[in-house]
Amino acid sequence: AQSVTQPDIHITVSEGASLELRCNYSYGATPYLFWYVQSPGQGLQLLLKYFSGDTLVQGIKGFEAEFKRSQSSFNLRKPSVHWSDAAEYFCAVGANYGGSQGNLIFGKGTKLSVKP
Amino acid sequence: ETGVTQSPTHLIKTRGQQVTLRCSSQSGHNTVSWYQQALGQGPQFIFQYYREEENGRGNFPPRFSGLQFPNYSSELNVNALELDDSALYLCASSKSLAGGSSTDTQYFGPGTRLTVL
Repeated sequence: AQSVTQPDIHITVSEGASLELRCNYSYGATPYLFWYVQSPGQGLQLLLKYFSGDTLVQGIKGFEAEFKRSQSSFNLRKPSVHWSDAAEYFCAVGANYGGSQGNLIFGKGTKLSVKP
Repeated sequence: ETGVTQSPTHLIKTRGQQVTLRCSSQSGHNTVSWYQQALGQGPQFIFQYYREEENGRGNFPPRFSGLQFPNYSSELNVNALELDDSALYLCASSKSLAGGSSTDTQYFGPGTRLTVL
């Protein structure tokens, strides 16, 4: 079965420091991968997505993610974190099995705190 | 371009009651998916509607049902509410060519916070 694991429940970084959020997926074929961000009391905003092609994907707000098939990973990175990046981040894989086409399977999320 | 909207924002119900949540999809989108997000968890897929028919369903009991209307807006109905139904309910819309694909990008609304007492 498809699944997504985000090993870090909570990460704290200093403003201006670099960031890497980890995501591992389990899927038999080429996965469709997404990163979403959720601010407190808000819905989910799409940061970036990977379907095929270049394994380094650029997104909004200065985020990027790298797809590594050999490691089944899709880690999210940002070179310099801003206080406004404090939020919860969710990695998701697009399901594509009987009756579930179009369904997104989410990890449990990583909460990012930013120290001034 | 109007984004995905949901109503109401918050709702409090008691166990055993029924609730209806509403979602208006983003302009130009024809597919709506519903997710349940319990506190501290990632969203879980409930079901998806395409062309007014259920197009896929997650591991939720039949008391979770839905509708999609000709204007692509949607409703989520939950009967016989249980305490564990307390959660943030998210609606997402997408533009599908053939009824829901993993390559469709889903755009989420702000959610409805349901509390069951």
